[in-house]
Amino acid sequence: AQKITQTQPGMFVQEKEAVTLDCTYDTSDQSYGLFWYKQPSSGEMIFLIYQGSYDEQNATEGRYSLNFQKARKSANLVISASQLGDSAMYFCAMSPRSNDYKLSFGAGTTVTVRA
Amino acid sequence: NAGVTQTPKFRVLKTGQSMTLLCAQDMNHEYMYWYRQDPGMGLRLIHYSVGEGTTAKGEVPDGYNVSRLKKQNFLLGLESAAPSQTSVYFCASSSWDGLTDTQYFGPGTRLTVL
Repeated sequence: AQKITQTQPGMFVQEKEAVTLDCTYDTSDQSYGLFWYKQPSSGEMIFLIYQGSYDEQNATEGRYSLNFQKARKSANLVISASQLGDSAMYFCAMSPRSNDYKLSFGAGTTVTVRA
Repeated sequence: NAGVTQTPKFRVLKTGQSMTLLCAQDMNHEYMYWYRQDPGMGLRLIHYSVGEGTTAKGEVPDGYNVSRLKKQNFLLGLESAAPSQTSVYFCASSSWDGLTDTQYFGPGTRLTVL
């Protein structure tokens, strides 16, 4: 089974500042996808950003960027210019290509943005 | 374009009762998944399907059954509900488009078993 580790249970960030959420993963697959999802208090799972294991450039989507370090097996999410609406739980997930694209999730990090 | 929908949104069962959760997607995705999320935890895969008429076990399949008779629908059944199945259930769908296999999630079903 794939293992995803998010070591930060909770984080506080000041509005307009940047925050980095850590994620490390363990897999023997060479081809895989890395994902970040946001879960606000309303409960839905919102897709934020994707990084393929063979992508040479780090993925970016608006204020979200993924700091991908393949050799270290880390896929940290950076949220720039935090907004109050960014307060939520954030999940890192991985999908090996050889395993029916099944996602394995980390335990999540709760982010609270302070005004 | 509704994406992924789930029915019902909330349900309360008594121990031993049965129920079926319905997931529907309108994105023509090949793959569909059922997850459960317990308090303070990430999602865990219950069962999944790689195409119409197929199903497979995930990480926590015991006590659940699934069926995928139509490509757009994926049903999750609880034959004899137990309090340990109190959870939030999410359905998701995806397809590999050559670049990504992003899974898109439904809004979730909150199930309480008394």
